[in-house]
Amino acid sequence: DAGVTQSPTHLIKTRGQQVTLRCSPISGHKSVSWYQQVLGQGPQFIFQYYEKEERGRGNFPDRFSARQFPNYSSELNVNALLLGDSALYLCASSYDVSNSPLHFGNGTRLTVT
Amino acid sequence: GQQVMQIPQYQHVQEGEDFTTYCNSSTTLSNIQWYKQRPGGHPVFLIQLVKSGEVKKQKRLTFQFGEAKKNSSLHITATQTTDVGTYFCAPTGTASKLTFGTGTRLQVTL
Repeated sequence: DAGVTQSPTHLIKTRGQQVTLRCSPISGHKSVSWYQQVLGQGPQFIFQYYEKEERGRGNFPDRFSARQFPNYSSELNVNALLLGDSALYLCASSYDVSNSPLHFGNGTRLTVT
Repeated sequence: GQQVMQIPQYQHVQEGEDFTTYCNSSTTLSNIQWYKQRPGGHPVFLIQLVKSGEVKKQKRLTFQFGEAKKNSSLHITATQTTDVGTYFCAPTGTASKLTFGTGTRLQVTL
């Protein structure tokens, strides 16, 4: 079975632009979470979705939004990019929301110039 | 959210030496997960601890959950170069929302 897949793998954007990151969970997993990892730090929770509904939101500005589709894939959108948004964005899937282990994708490396 | 501190931040050992990382919380944790992230890679789930005083072993790795459920540790016996990476503890909050610790970066040299 395929693991969690994310696209694109790398992305370079300019300040003020908008970006959309995509994630496909492991087959059978209904929950998708998004994390931001700045170099040298641990992943920071952004969003969790389960059955297309937002189940949790981290301490990120409204410029960050996400959604989950009927096939459980997900998109993370970031508007009005700032230099500080440069990071590795990790998507993780889990079977449900009852403390199931997270399975991470390889991430999207976003560079904002 | 729940905040945890991991110590040390970084450790460099010779292959064959033991290694321990500690995860400390000021509040009682319901359960805790451990992840390993290789350089350039993504976090990979290692284990989940739920019960007070729980000890779990995976080959050379031993995980402990404190009696008060405020701390946890990961001990690696006889490190190998394949153990290189950053080890994160992550207490689970509501609905699988993980708060990752600061991580301990392990470097192993021959």
